[in-house]
Amino acid sequence: DAKTTQPPSMDCAEGRAANLPCNHSTISGNEYVYWYRQIHSQGPQYIIHGLKNNETNEMASLIITEDRKSSTLILPHATLRDTAVYYCTGNQFYFGTGTSLTVIP
Amino acid sequence: SQTIHQWPATLVQPVGSPLSLECTVEGTSNPNLYWYRQAAGRGLQLLFYSVGIGQISSEVPQNLSASRPQDRQFILSSKKLLLSDSGFYLCAWRGRGLVNTGELFFGEGSRLTVL
Repeated sequence: DAKTTQPPSMDCAEGRAANLPCNHSTISGNEYVYWYRQIHSQGPQYIIHGLKNNETNEMASLIITEDRKSSTLILPHATLRDTAVYYCTGNQFYFGTGTSLTVIP
Repeated sequence: SQTIHQWPATLVQPVGSPLSLECTVEGTSNPNLYWYRQAAGRGLQLLFYSVGIGQISSEVPQNLSASRPQDRQFILSSKKLLLSDSGFYLCAWRGRGLVNTGELFFGEGSRLTVL
């Protein structure tokens, strides 16, 4: 199973870009990288996923390194409502403890 | 549109008592269904998944069990709760296909406290 490593916490100023890193060096070649976020006491919400190429949707952008050992989730203009725990996962069987992002006014 | 419901939202149970958490999905057919647990300060871990009625796969051995009596119903049970069963239980679904591809859609969770 692919294990992921994320920093436990990060701060970001409101309106600035939030860049959340994830290391997934053991991910297999055909395994997607998924990102979710969880606001306190709610179920996780899907954000974005990718395999090799960078991806963008209305919520975020995902940058995956060429060797696929790491990725970065980018929230281009963080708002207070983006304060949450962000998880990256490979096979989605285990989500780890994620990164607690605090957006500061 | 598809929706997922879990109940009860919160539950306080004594050690040794039984447990039943229910999850239903609406607006889709033949979903893959999942139960996760999130203990305090811990990650979100898959407990069970089901690809069809009566088909249950267990990822983590413990005193919990799961059943899928109907296509869109998933139940998590225990005959005798342990203190270590306390946590936040989440049900999730994804569309038909491979078990571990495609985004998951989570319910709002059931918070269980065992005393």
